[in-house]
Amino acid sequence: EFVLTQSPGTLSLSPGERATLSCRASQSVSSSYLAWYQHKPGQAPRLLIYGTSSRATGIPDRFSGSGSGTDFTLTISRLEPEDFAVYYCHQYGSSPRTFGQGTKVEIK
Amino acid sequence: QVQLVQSGAEVKKPGASVKVSCKASSYTFTSYGISWVRQAPGQGLEWMGWISGYNDNTHYAQKVQGRVTMTTDTSTSTAYMELRSLRSDDTAVYYCARSRSISPFDAFDIWGQGTMVTVSS
Repeated sequence: EFVLTQSPGTLSLSPGERATLSCRASQSVSSSYLAWYQHKPGQAPRLLIYGTSSRATGIPDRFSGSGSGTDFTLTISRLEPEDFAVYYCHQYGSSPRTFGQGTKVEIK
Repeated sequence: QVQLVQSGAEVKKPGASVKVSCKASSYTFTSYGISWVRQAPGQGLEWMGWISGYNDNTHYAQKVQGRVTMTTDTSTSTAYMELRSLRSDDTAVYYCARSRSISPFDAFDIWGQGTMVTVSS
Protein backbone atom coordinates (compact mmCIF):
# COMPACT_ATOMS: atom_id res chain seq x y z
CA GLU A 1 0.00 0.00 0.00
CA PHE A 2 1.23 3.48 -0.88
CA VAL A 3 1.58 5.59 2.27
CA LEU A 4 1.46 9.34 1.68
CA THR A 5 2.96 11.58 4.35
CA GLN A 6 2.09 15.28 4.27
CA SER A 7 4.04 18.06 5.91
CA PRO A 8 3.70 20.24 7.77
CA GLY A 9 0.64 19.16 9.71
CA THR A 10 -0.41 22.77 10.15
CA LEU A 11 0.72 25.86 8.27
CA SER A 12 -0.02 29.25 9.87
CA LEU A 13 0.11 32.03 7.29
CA SER A 14 -1.43 35.42 6.53
CA PRO A 15 -3.53 36.31 3.49
CA GLY A 16 -1.26 37.26 0.61
CA GLU A 17 1.53 34.91 1.68
CA ARG A 18 2.78 31.90 -0.26
CA ALA A 19 1.92 28.39 0.94
CA THR A 20 4.04 25.36 0.13
CA LEU A 21 2.61 21.96 1.05
CA SER A 22 4.58 18.72 0.76
CA CYS A 23 3.46 15.16 0.07
CA ARG A 24 5.96 12.30 0.27
CA ALA A 25 5.12 8.78 -0.92
CA SER A 26 6.47 5.54 0.53
CA GLN A 27 7.26 4.36 -3.01
CA SER A 28 7.43 6.00 -6.39
CA VAL A 29 4.11 7.30 -7.73
CA SER A 30 3.56 7.85 -11.42
CA SER A 31 3.08 11.56 -11.87
CA SER A 32 -0.05 10.79 -13.84
CA TYR A 33 -1.77 9.59 -10.67
CA LEU A 34 -1.23 12.26 -8.00
CA ALA A 35 -3.99 14.70 -7.05
CA TRP A 36 -4.65 17.41 -4.47
CA TYR A 37 -7.98 18.28 -2.83
CA GLN A 38 -9.17 21.18 -0.69
CA HIS A 39 -11.56 20.32 2.14
CA LYS A 40 -13.50 22.77 4.28
CA PRO A 41 -15.59 21.77 7.33
CA GLY A 42 -19.11 20.71 6.42
CA GLN A 43 -18.35 20.70 2.71
CA ALA A 44 -17.35 18.06 0.20
CA PRO A 45 -13.71 17.91 -0.86
CA ARG A 46 -12.86 19.84 -4.01
CA LEU A 47 -10.43 18.64 -6.67
CA LEU A 48 -7.67 21.19 -7.25
CA ILE A 49 -4.91 19.36 -9.14
CA TYR A 50 -4.72 16.02 -10.96
CA GLY A 51 -1.86 14.36 -12.80
CA THR A 52 0.56 16.20 -10.46
CA SER A 53 0.23 19.57 -12.18
CA SER A 54 -3.02 19.91 -14.13
CA ARG A 55 -5.55 22.29 -12.61
CA ALA A 56 -9.13 21.05 -12.41
CA THR A 57 -11.92 23.01 -14.05
CA GLY A 58 -12.46 26.41 -12.47
CA ILE A 59 -9.40 26.31 -10.19
CA PRO A 60 -7.57 29.65 -10.10
CA ASP A 61 -3.99 29.78 -11.31
CA ARG A 62 -2.64 30.70 -7.87
CA PHE A 63 -2.82 26.92 -7.23
CA SER A 64 -0.03 24.89 -8.81
CA GLY A 65 1.31 21.37 -8.40
CA SER A 66 4.72 19.89 -9.08
CA GLY A 67 6.92 16.93 -8.30
CA SER A 68 7.83 13.43 -9.34
CA GLY A 69 8.78 10.05 -7.93
CA THR A 70 8.15 10.24 -4.20
CA ASP A 71 8.05 14.01 -3.63
CA PHE A 72 5.18 16.25 -4.62
CA THR A 73 4.28 19.85 -3.80
CA LEU A 74 1.17 22.00 -3.85
CA THR A 75 1.88 25.72 -3.97
CA ILE A 76 -0.63 28.50 -3.37
CA SER A 77 1.11 31.61 -4.66
CA ARG A 78 -0.89 34.22 -2.71
CA LEU A 79 -3.36 33.06 -0.08
CA GLU A 80 -6.88 34.39 -0.36
CA PRO A 81 -9.26 34.29 2.65
CA GLU A 82 -11.19 31.42 1.08
CA ASP A 83 -8.03 29.26 0.80
CA PHE A 84 -7.81 28.51 4.51
CA ALA A 85 -8.76 24.84 4.68
CA VAL A 86 -7.33 21.32 4.90
CA TYR A 87 -5.47 19.99 1.86
CA TYR A 88 -5.04 16.31 1.00
CA CYS A 89 -2.78 14.65 -1.53
CA HIS A 90 -4.09 11.47 -3.16
CA GLN A 91 -2.55 8.72 -5.25
CA TYR A 92 -4.95 6.94 -7.57
CA GLY A 93 -2.66 4.76 -9.64
CA SER A 94 -2.84 1.64 -7.52
CA SER A 95 -5.18 -0.10 -5.11
CA PRO A 96 -5.97 0.82 -2.51
CA ARG A 97 -6.14 4.46 -3.52
CA THR A 98 -4.68 6.37 -0.60
CA PHE A 99 -4.74 9.88 0.82
CA GLY A 100 -2.25 11.77 2.91
CA GLN A 101 -3.29 12.70 6.43
CA GLY A 102 -3.82 16.34 5.44
CA THR A 103 -2.21 19.74 5.95
CA LYS A 104 -4.30 22.41 7.65
CA VAL A 105 -3.67 25.92 6.34
CA GLU A 106 -4.82 28.32 9.04
CA ILE A 107 -4.88 32.07 9.40
CA LYS A 108 -1.94 33.42 11.39
CA GLN B 1 -25.12 21.52 -13.08
CA VAL B 2 -23.27 18.25 -12.60
CA GLN B 3 -23.95 16.99 -9.12
CA LEU B 4 -24.20 13.99 -6.83
CA VAL B 5 -26.90 14.03 -4.17
CA GLN B 6 -26.66 11.54 -1.33
CA SER B 7 -29.25 10.11 1.01
CA GLY B 8 -29.70 11.39 4.54
CA ALA B 9 -28.03 10.62 7.83
CA GLU B 10 -28.37 7.17 9.39
CA VAL B 11 -28.08 5.82 12.91
CA LYS B 12 -27.49 2.09 13.19
CA LYS B 13 -26.75 -0.43 15.91
CA PRO B 14 -23.60 -2.56 15.86
CA GLY B 15 -24.04 -5.57 13.61
CA ALA B 16 -26.64 -3.89 11.41
CA SER B 17 -26.30 -2.85 7.76
CA VAL B 18 -26.57 0.54 6.07
CA LYS B 19 -27.20 1.40 2.43
CA VAL B 20 -26.31 4.88 1.18
CA SER B 21 -27.48 6.19 -2.18
CA CYS B 22 -25.84 8.69 -4.51
CA LYS B 23 -27.98 10.12 -7.33
CA ALA B 24 -26.16 11.67 -10.27
CA SER B 25 -27.53 14.40 -12.48
CA SER B 26 -26.57 16.43 -15.55
CA TYR B 27 -24.05 13.97 -16.96
CA THR B 28 -24.00 10.58 -18.69
CA PHE B 29 -23.83 8.19 -15.74
CA THR B 30 -22.47 5.27 -17.76
CA SER B 31 -19.43 7.26 -18.93
CA TYR B 32 -17.88 7.56 -15.48
CA GLY B 33 -17.05 5.58 -12.37
CA ILE B 34 -18.04 6.29 -8.77
CA SER B 35 -15.83 5.84 -5.73
CA TRP B 36 -16.87 5.82 -2.10
CA VAL B 37 -14.67 7.62 0.43
CA ARG B 38 -15.26 7.97 4.16
CA GLN B 39 -13.98 10.26 6.90
CA ALA B 40 -14.20 9.20 10.53
CA PRO B 41 -14.47 11.98 13.14
CA GLY B 42 -11.18 13.85 13.38
CA GLN B 43 -9.55 11.60 10.80
CA GLY B 44 -8.49 11.86 7.17
CA LEU B 45 -10.02 10.47 4.01
CA GLU B 46 -10.22 6.72 3.39
CA TRP B 47 -11.05 5.19 -0.01
CA MET B 48 -13.46 2.26 0.23
CA GLY B 49 -13.92 1.20 -3.36
CA TRP B 50 -14.94 2.02 -6.93
CA ILE B 51 -17.69 0.92 -9.27
CA SER B 52 -17.99 1.41 -13.00
CA GLY B 53 -21.09 3.26 -14.15
CA TYR B 54 -20.84 1.29 -17.39
CA ASN B 55 -20.61 -2.39 -16.45
CA ASP B 56 -20.69 -2.67 -12.63
CA ASN B 57 -17.03 -3.73 -12.37
CA THR B 58 -15.84 -3.08 -8.83
CA HIS B 59 -12.60 -2.60 -6.92
CA TYR B 60 -12.88 -2.79 -3.12
CA ALA B 61 -10.36 -1.81 -0.47
CA GLN B 62 -9.12 -4.86 1.40
CA LYS B 63 -10.10 -3.26 4.72
CA VAL B 64 -13.83 -3.45 3.90
CA GLN B 65 -13.83 -6.33 1.39
CA GLY B 66 -16.40 -8.91 2.44
CA ARG B 67 -18.55 -6.32 4.24
CA VAL B 68 -19.19 -3.84 1.42
CA THR B 69 -21.21 -4.08 -1.78
CA MET B 70 -21.37 -1.30 -4.35
CA THR B 71 -24.06 -1.32 -7.01
CA THR B 72 -25.61 0.99 -9.57
CA ASP B 73 -29.04 1.53 -11.13
CA THR B 74 -28.46 3.08 -14.53
CA SER B 75 -32.19 3.69 -15.04
CA THR B 76 -32.08 6.26 -12.25
CA SER B 77 -28.36 7.21 -12.47
CA THR B 78 -27.91 6.16 -8.86
CA ALA B 79 -25.02 4.44 -7.11
CA TYR B 80 -25.39 2.56 -3.84
CA MET B 81 -22.97 1.51 -1.12
CA GLU B 82 -24.06 -1.13 1.39
CA LEU B 83 -21.90 -1.82 4.44
CA ARG B 84 -22.76 -4.81 6.65
CA SER B 85 -21.80 -5.96 10.15
CA LEU B 86 -21.38 -2.38 11.27
CA ARG B 87 -18.95 -1.57 14.07
CA SER B 88 -18.43 1.60 16.06
CA ASP B 89 -15.34 2.44 14.00
CA ASP B 90 -17.54 2.60 10.88
CA THR B 91 -18.97 5.84 12.27
CA ALA B 92 -18.02 8.39 9.62
CA VAL B 93 -19.18 10.74 6.91
CA TYR B 94 -19.50 8.73 3.70
CA TYR B 95 -18.94 10.47 0.36
CA CYS B 96 -19.55 9.32 -3.16
CA ALA B 97 -17.23 10.85 -5.73
CA ARG B 98 -17.18 10.71 -9.52
CA SER B 99 -14.01 9.67 -11.30
CA ARG B 100 -12.91 12.02 -14.07
CA SER B 101 -13.37 9.17 -16.56
CA ILE B 102 -14.59 5.57 -16.82
CA SER B 103 -11.12 4.42 -15.74
CA PRO B 104 -10.88 3.06 -12.20
CA PHE B 105 -7.60 4.97 -11.90
CA ASP B 106 -8.59 8.60 -12.08
CA ALA B 107 -9.01 11.55 -9.73
CA PHE B 108 -12.39 12.48 -8.23
CA ASP B 109 -13.81 15.63 -9.75
CA ILE B 110 -17.37 15.75 -8.37
CA TRP B 111 -18.31 14.84 -4.80
CA GLY B 112 -21.59 14.27 -3.06
CA GLN B 113 -22.49 16.30 0.01
CA GLY B 114 -21.72 13.44 2.38
CA THR B 115 -23.87 11.13 4.53
CA MET B 116 -23.25 10.82 8.26
CA VAL B 117 -23.50 7.22 9.45
CA THR B 118 -23.44 6.75 13.21
CA VAL B 119 -23.02 3.29 14.70
CA SER B 120 -24.04 3.21 18.33
CA SER B 121 -25.79 0.86 20.70
